[in-house]
Amino acid sequence: GQQLNQSPQSMFIQEGEDVSMNCTSSSIFNTWLWYKQDPGEGPVLLIALYKAGELTSNGRLTAQFGITRKDSFLNISASIPSDVGIYFCAGPFSSGSARQLTFGSGTQLTVLP
Amino acid sequence: SQTIHQWPATLVQPVGSPLSLECTVEGTSNPNLYWYRQAAGRGLQLLFYSVGIGQISSEVPQNLSASRPQDRQFILSSKKLLLSDSGFYLCAYGQTNTEAFFGQGTRLTVV
Repeated sequence: GQQLNQSPQSMFIQEGEDVSMNCTSSSIFNTWLWYKQDPGEGPVLLIALYKAGELTSNGRLTAQFGITRKDSFLNISASIPSDVGIYFCAGPFSSGSARQLTFGSGTQLTVLP
Repeated sequence: SQTIHQWPATLVQPVGSPLSLECTVEGTSNPNLYWYRQAAGRGLQLLFYSVGIGQISSEVPQNLSASRPQDRQFILSSKKLLLSDSGFYLCAYGQTNTEAFFGQGTRLTVV
């Protein structure tokens, strides 16, 4: 199956700092997705990227679809306590009769006051 | 608007007991439906997916089964739970074959 390498595994930052995390793959993806999961909740879709080189923002979040289509980056500016959670990258691939998503292993973000 | 409901939120079951987790989707028709398991707050593992009523594909061999009796209903079951079945189970739906949208999850503890 497809594998996504996500880094870093965890981050501890001060409130107000900027955050950057990335995801790489050995295969080409036509879509990159970024999710956030709060403790005890299901992941929520933050940003979807559909085109190589695309840069998309959602408030303080900015994500980029790498030009090689094998990587993606998520940046969070001016972090706040509610940014705490696990961030996952994901990409779809075809298997059998349906599209499936493969997920990175996640980046655990802790924001210190 | 589309919504997904998953219940129960938490469940504590003894080893050897049966399991039934239910997921329903509203506001869309013929969605792709998925069951994922997440261990230790990381790593989403796809267990089952369905592209239509009665159509179930399994990704990993396990002690669980899935059924889709109606278009927008997806059920995860087990006849006899094992300790290793403990985890956080997530139902998801997809409409565009690209994004997936998740339910709130069920925390299952097998004791």
